[in-house]
Amino acid sequence: AQSVTQLDSHVSVSEGTPVLLRCNYSSSYSPSLFWYVQHPNKGLQLLLKYTSAATLVKGINGFEAEFKKSETSFHLTKPSAHMSDAAEYFCVVSGDTGNQFYFGTGTSLTVIP
Amino acid sequence: EAGVAQSPRYKIIEKRQSVAFWCNPISGHATLYWYQQILGQGPKLLIQFQNNGVVDDSQLPKDRFSAERLKGVDSTLKIQPAKLEDSAVYLCASSHGLAGQETQYFGPGTRLLVL
Repeated sequence: AQSVTQLDSHVSVSEGTPVLLRCNYSSSYSPSLFWYVQHPNKGLQLLLKYTSAATLVKGINGFEAEFKKSETSFHLTKPSAHMSDAAEYFCVVSGDTGNQFYFGTGTSLTVIP
Repeated sequence: EAGVAQSPRYKIIEKRQSVAFWCNPISGHATLYWYQQILGQGPKLLIQFQNNGVVDDSQLPKDRFSAERLKGVDSTLKIQPAKLEDSAVYLCASSHGLAGQETQYFGPGTRLLVL
């Protein structure tokens, strides 16, 4: 069975400082892992995904995540936060066949000017 | 490329009434998903279609929820009768295939309020 745990429900950073959103997963298989972002009143948008290729994955808007099997983690980072990054972020794990697609509970990112 | 379309965007009903949501996926996407997102939680998969067949409906409350995708393109999700706890955003998503690494593309959602 698959599951994800997002370790922080809320994260606040100042504009221009680094962002770290933490995600740990549990999977019986070689997982696919995703980060999605949800801006207020907008649909979910894919930031990046890991599918057993390179462990460091680069996504849109300067975000990246590193798959660490030994730590069962897939943390999302960005070197410098921008005001437009304020949103809800979801870590997602998927099984081999895609019919087990589990979202974490989300991390709300606030960027302080 | 047009995205996933959903309607209506908002719906307010009284408990015990019925309601239906419609979704049109991205053209050519074989797999379609319905999710329920309760306020403050992550989306929960309700049902997944591959073309017009159900792949997974293990988390669909079948006593009151039903969904169909008759021609393998657009889909409807129905709730009958609605309960207060059904208040949520209902998200539709589609992907090209069924594999675990496929990217899902989400629609804007339908926000349901049950009074």
